[in-house]
Amino acid sequence: NAGVTQTPKFRVLKTGQSMTLLCAQDMNHEYMYWYRQDPGMGLRLIHYSVGEGTTAKGEVPDGYNVSRLKKQNFLLGLESAAPSQTSVYFCASSRRRLRASGILGETQYFGPGTRLLVL
Amino acid sequence: GDSVTQMEGPVTLSEEAFLTINCTYTATGYPSLFWYVQYPGEGLQLLLKATKADDKGSNKGFEATYRKETTSFHLEKGSVQVSDSAVYFCALRISNFGNEKLTFGTGTRLTIIP
Repeated sequence: NAGVTQTPKFRVLKTGQSMTLLCAQDMNHEYMYWYRQDPGMGLRLIHYSVGEGTTAKGEVPDGYNVSRLKKQNFLLGLESAAPSQTSVYFCASSRRRLRASGILGETQYFGPGTRLLVL
Repeated sequence: GDSVTQMEGPVTLSEEAFLTINCTYTATGYPSLFWYVQYPGEGLQLLLKATKADDKGSNKGFEATYRKETTSFHLEKGSVQVSDSAVYFCALRISNFGNEKLTFGTGTRLTIIP
């Protein structure tokens, strides 16, 4: 059981290049998230997905696209990288909350992060 | 909007010292509150959580009590160890079904010296 894994661990891009970050989870979680972490700003949500084939914008979605073609994978794409996208990117996943059960605050499990440098 | 304000770091303590990292929040609904920890080179791990007022979350000797009257969720530990050196994030999530967004504080870097 690997939990949440991210590929690659580190990448250097030139301005204008494109790339895709891959997140995979083996916990059969319905929800998946992409965050970016910047110094002095904590983590900010980029996009998230509540199920296969569905995605939604988070707090800072501009310049990013995502896809959730399979339940276990959540891809984050940068079509034309900019220096402002230099950051550490974290993927997370969680179970779907069940209204009837009253379960709130489902734990989000995080991957180890991808460090991206855009020159 | 929702926000989390936590104690600015870095914080440096000697081993066995008492730790407090302050966290206060602003939220329009009734949030669940979390503390996450990030060890060097790793992703975030949930440390503890509380889902309603007066709940106390605890784990690995750390505690935090959900105080609705002061909108706070301060993290405490009675005797820190070198292995507690990490960055600690306070976070909240509004308890509206379908809203899965976690709002994080900026993080507090803790260094414990032997």
